[in-house]
Amino acid sequence: KNQVEQSPQSLIILEGKNCTLQCNYTVSPFSNLRWYKQDTGRGPVSLTIMTFSENTKSNGRYTATLDADTKQSSLHITASQLSDSASYICVVSYLLSGTYKYIFGTGTRLKVLA
Amino acid sequence: GAGVSQSPSNKVTEKGKDVELRCDPISGHTALYWYRQSLGQGLEFLIYFQGNSAPDKSGLPSDRFSAERTGGSVSTLTIQRTQQEDSAVYLCASSLGDRSYEQYFGPGTRLTVT
Repeated sequence: KNQVEQSPQSLIILEGKNCTLQCNYTVSPFSNLRWYKQDTGRGPVSLTIMTFSENTKSNGRYTATLDADTKQSSLHITASQLSDSASYICVVSYLLSGTYKYIFGTGTRLKVLA
Repeated sequence: GAGVSQSPSNKVTEKGKDVELRCDPISGHTALYWYRQSLGQGLEFLIYFQGNSAPDKSGLPSDRFSAERTGGSVSTLTIQRTQQEDSAVYLCASSLGDRSYEQYFGPGTRLTVT
């Protein structure tokens, strides 16, 4: 069964600290993996997208890694800021009969405290 | 330019009533998606429109749910005879092309069925 699992479910850190969020998937055949940031009351916004051949992608203080062999991805946030408080969603896409499908994780809720 | 807009932002309705949710995609985007986000759950795909092709309705949970896209632009998601389990945030997204393109999300409509 195609699944995307994220951990931890929630996380609280102090401003300025680093953190790493995890995403494990069983989706096959893998097409790409996206990380989204969703602020409260807003729609998700794309942070990074990685295909099978990419194992790291950065977007400012956000760095995503992908290990296609172990089917794991992580999102590392460096020098966290209060504005990083949000939910972070991992999305894996796959091809089914020539059509892209998406499996969304349930997200990690991050709270950054001053 | 303007992003994806949705209206209303909040909707409270009584069980058994019908509701209509509206989505205005980014101008020029040919693809439009509807998702449902229930508390503590990942995004759940509902329906996908691409150009003049027949929509992919495979995610609609029951025949009480339907959607239209008029003139290849604005879309309306209709839920008939609402039930309490329909309470969720309904997100719309649009993209430049097919499902391989990045999706841009609207802020969502929070539906509460009492």
